[in-house]
Amino acid sequence: DTAVSQTPKYLVTQMGNDKSIKCEQNLGHDTMYWYKQDSKKFLKIMFSYNNKELIINETVPNRFSPKSPDKAHLNLHINSLELGDSAVYFCASSRTGDVSYEQYFGPGTRLTVT
Amino acid sequence: AQSVTQLGSHVSVSEGALVLLRCNYSSSVPPYLFWYVQYPNQGLQLLLKYTSAATLVKGINGFEAEFKKSETSFHLTKPSAHMSDAAEYFCAVSPFSGGYNKLIFGAGTRLAVHP
Repeated sequence: DTAVSQTPKYLVTQMGNDKSIKCEQNLGHDTMYWYKQDSKKFLKIMFSYNNKELIINETVPNRFSPKSPDKAHLNLHINSLELGDSAVYFCASSRTGDVSYEQYFGPGTRLTVT
Repeated sequence: AQSVTQLGSHVSVSEGALVLLRCNYSSSVPPYLFWYVQYPNQGLQLLLKYTSAATLVKGINGFEAEFKKSETSFHLTKPSAHMSDAAEYFCAVSPFSGGYNKLIFGAGTRLAVHP
């Protein structure tokens, strides 16, 4: 069984469009994250939710809006897509309470904006 | 602010040779450190983590890393490289912030293994 899943795996769209990426985890974790990996493979955290509450927002443009309907799901909606949004977006999850808890990553969503 | 530096964006070794991937961290307090591996077109998988229990940490697939506070290093090693080890490797630090962890990643090191 997949622990952290994301849909879609690939997303190709044009500038100005709005798109969403979905993430689900079946690990029973209560914290979920979105990371962005750019074309140079650099990974940077975007958001983190704990029990549906936003706890980390790393100065991401407000065109990006995460939503967590429950603690097993964290979606990412992006408005007015720009070329610079092209990247691989990873969802992750972990337990809460100790920063030594590892994060489990999904397979990623490759977003290409043309 | 905590940060991680990975020396060498590309490392190439022969099959059977020692693998050494370097990671240095900057932190004002003892950090939690992680090594993740990313195979092509896949997500990240944890190799090992340092959480202050032991300075020499053993991970999966024969990898291990040693935490050296005096050198602020957490280098990843494997005695004998295998072709299947070819991947991107990321060192990461987890700052302590009220129990909510986020990972701060290094720039990554691409490991190539030649026959």
